[in-house]
Amino acid sequence: EVQLVQSGAEVKKPGESLKISCQGSGYSFSNYWIGWVRQLPGKGLEWMGLIYPGDSDSRYNPSYSPSFQGQVTISADKSISTAYLQWSSLKASDTAMYYCARHEREGDWRRFDPWGQGTLVTVSS
Amino acid sequence: QSVLTQPPSASGTPGQSVSISCSGSSSNIGSNTVNWCQQLPGTAPKLLIYGNNQRPSGVPDRFSGSKSGTSASLAISGLQSEDEADYYCAAWDDSLNGWVFGGGTKLTVL
Repeated sequence: EVQLVQSGAEVKKPGESLKISCQGSGYSFSNYWIGWVRQLPGKGLEWMGLIYPGDSDSRYNPSYSPSFQGQVTISADKSISTAYLQWSSLKASDTAMYYCARHEREGDWRRFDPWGQGTLVTVSS
Repeated sequence: QSVLTQPPSASGTPGQSVSISCSGSSSNIGSNTVNWCQQLPGTAPKLLIYGNNQRPSGVPDRFSGSKSGTSASLAISGLQSEDEADYYCAAWDDSLNGWVFGGGTKLTVL
């Protein structure tokens, strides 16, 4: 079974750093892009960025939404089938649920499937 | 403000059919296929439709998708109480070189 399992909920203070994870299983992790999606409390889904674990250090990988460029860092360690989303200095406005999802492309379609269960990040003083 | 436009709410009674619209532009829906996700209360999103009208294995054929120009629709027939959820459309955007989502439609089964 293809599965993405995310790390547990986090409670942090403003200014602290954080790295959350997304571990894939049941497929060749290196060969599929992983995307990160934010969901603010009571709001919709926002795409944050994509990473290809098989070549995570190339110039165009990872790619970021302009809204999140410079605000977060996406990385991956293919040796342990894990992707990461990290902040160097959290803000209260980063409080949200964060999802990872496997990104697949074939022919003329792309899709996010499956999704991780989500990691709730709460930033509060 | 989401790039793709969906109605904030929709409703129907058990057994009825409902349709949810999603409007975009030439750089996203007009150029690429559309996905639909279902998010049940308190859970992660789940892929419902990809490639405009393809269902992943396990998704009932009560759910169907269509696309015309820069708009798409999700149709649900034989509405059931367990269909009560938030539904999101999504598409790749060539200008952004990334994904854009609709704001979501909350479906209520009366």
